[in-house]
Amino acid sequence: EDKVVQSPLSLVVHEGDTVTLNCSYEVTNFRSLLWYKQEKKAPTFLFMLTSSGIEKKSGRLSSILDKKELFSILNITATQTGDSAVYLCAHYTNAGGTSYGKLTFGQGTILTVHP
Amino acid sequence: ETGVTQTPRHLVMGMTNKKSLKCEQHLGHNAMYWYKQSAKKPLELMFVYNFKEQTENNSVPSRFSPECPNSSHLFLHLHTLQPEDSALYLCASSKWGTTIYFGEGSWLTVV
Repeated sequence: EDKVVQSPLSLVVHEGDTVTLNCSYEVTNFRSLLWYKQEKKAPTFLFMLTSSGIEKKSGRLSSILDKKELFSILNITATQTGDSAVYLCAHYTNAGGTSYGKLTFGQGTILTVHP
Repeated sequence: ETGVTQTPRHLVMGMTNKKSLKCEQHLGHNAMYWYKQSAKKPLELMFVYNFKEQTENNSVPSRFSPECPNSSHLFLHLHTLQPEDSALYLCASSKWGTTIYFGEGSWLTVV
């Protein structure tokens, strides 16, 4: 059974701090790792990581995958109160090469950014 | 705004009620999903429909009954639920195994 574990489960920081969120996984047939941000609504897609060692960046957010050590990190620099959310990591696989995907999620990291 | 629309956004129902959650997307996606998000538990896949055929049922109790009349619409019929079924139910869709996009979710409270 695929397993995704995130740490820490919660984190409280002040604006301007840099945070690192961790995601480790034990899965069969790795395909890609996804990061989502969830405020009090739909999870919104952030990054999809497929190749090891290649950093994905979007503004103050960046993420990297280590397929040898089976983990990924999400970095947020110069945090703002609007970054407060739950950050979800998920393993994505196409089941048996089908035309749909399946996501196995971690528990999420609750990030709170204080002014 | 992901293009996946869920209604109602909030629902309170008694244990003997019958209600339905609705999801629609007009993105041309072939796959639609129901996920459940309970407090302090990871998001769990419930059902997958691909080209309106059910392809995954993650051992979901029969009091949850999905229906997919076409590739754009997905329902979750609810009957004789338990208080522990109270959760956020998220619909999602994807096209040919690419990124999965989520709706805003339906908050369900069973009393």
